[in-house]
Amino acid sequence: DVKVTQSSRYLVKRTGEKVFLECVQDMDHENMFWYRQDPGLGLRLIYFSYDVKMKEKGDIPEGYSVSREKKERFSLILESASTNQTSMYLCASSPLQVQETQYFGPGTRLLVL
Amino acid sequence: DQQVKQNSPSLSVQEGRISILNCDYTNSMFDYFLWYKKYPAEGPTFLISISSIKDKNEDGRFTVFLNKSAKHLSLHIVPSQPGDSAVYLCTGGSNYKLTFGKGTLLTVNP
Repeated sequence: DVKVTQSSRYLVKRTGEKVFLECVQDMDHENMFWYRQDPGLGLRLIYFSYDVKMKEKGDIPEGYSVSREKKERFSLILESASTNQTSMYLCASSPLQVQETQYFGPGTRLLVL
Repeated sequence: DQQVKQNSPSLSVQEGRISILNCDYTNSMFDYFLWYKKYPAEGPTFLISISSIKDKNEDGRFTVFLNKSAKHLSLHIVPSQPGDSAVYLCTGGSNYKLTFGKGTLLTVNP
């Protein structure tokens, strides 16, 4: 079974803090993704990576950066957290051969005060 | 602009009956479509997919139909079971990227 884990289920941070969300997958997938999910807006793609050290912007990259130093790990960074970044963050991965099927982690619910 | 639309926010059906979840899309470049199932406070789980060159794909109780001319797809669940109660996300994909609809909450009543 594919397993995608996220470092925290719940996180509370203050405005202006630097926030790291970590994601690890154990299936040697090439592609990894970060989404956020908000009520009434659905899942929106923030960034994705198709290889180590490679990254591409998704639909809403503003205010975020990412890091992929190892194949299994993809980090989402909020350089200076703001209240409008309060959301559910979901990480996903997919293999190169069947890249249409993404496997999701359990999500991190982030509250920025 | 919403490229994938699920116009019914919720659907309620009786156990054993058919559930039909509908989805419309506007992006003709989608190469494939997927349905994901999502429980509260969990990540989405892949359910079934269909290539844009096909019009039907079946997997057990789940069948997805694609009508490209109408830019419409639907998910049929037969027979519906209480464990099917969840949010269903319709998704269009091209290359690496998936575009999600907002979801339909399915409730299957015993």
